[in-house]
Amino acid sequence: DAGITQSPRHKVTETGTPVTLRCHQTENHRYMYWYRQDPGHGLRLIHYSYGVKDTDKGEVSDGYSVSRSKTEDFLLTLESATSSQTSVYFCAISAGAPGANVLTFGAGSRLTVL
Amino acid sequence: AQRVTQPEKLLSVFKGAPVELKCNYSYSGSPELFWYVQYSRQRLQLLLRHISRESIKGFTADLNKGETSFHLKKPFAQEEDSAMYYCAHPPRSRSGGYQKVTFGTGTKLQVIP
Repeated sequence: DAGITQSPRHKVTETGTPVTLRCHQTENHRYMYWYRQDPGHGLRLIHYSYGVKDTDKGEVSDGYSVSRSKTEDFLLTLESATSSQTSVYFCAISAGAPGANVLTFGAGSRLTVL
Repeated sequence: AQRVTQPEKLLSVFKGAPVELKCNYSYSGSPELFWYVQYSRQRLQLLLRHISRESIKGFTADLNKGETSFHLKKPFAQEEDSAMYYCAHPPRSRSGGYQKVTFGTGTKLQVIP
């Protein structure tokens, strides 16, 4: 559906453990994004990528790292999960061209850190 | 910093009443603005964008550069319009292209039967 999938869709983990969320696209889009969605804060950008091995920080990047070794995959890693990182994480893709900068979202990954 | 502001966290209207979801942006120039919607248990999806000047599901949004606003409007609300609405923009980078896309904090629209 929509050429973008996220895994896992649900995860419960404990404080201090590493967690990796995967975003996979079949659209060959250049740009990929990771957002977190929290009540009262809306969608906040964590990291984004504008090409293979090209990534940059968003507004809430502390505690997160990303990697993009292939066009189709964008990984979000929490090196040592904390309770404040309990959230719903959304991956998005876009072609990025002016006038066509529309985001397509994944279904979301709900992470609970106990 | 370039940003968009959605002042209302929750907007409740009765079915059949007009709806206006507010979005203000803080920068000059020619912005590229979007409205996204998230229905219950569905993924976020594009509702409309200002460059297309189209009406989707009865919603319209006009860019008002004088007021730096991009409010979302619908003359008669329907129950199925109940959802979370986000205003979004991809600010220009220093290189001139669009890269990261940032969102407002969202407004939950509740249409009362």
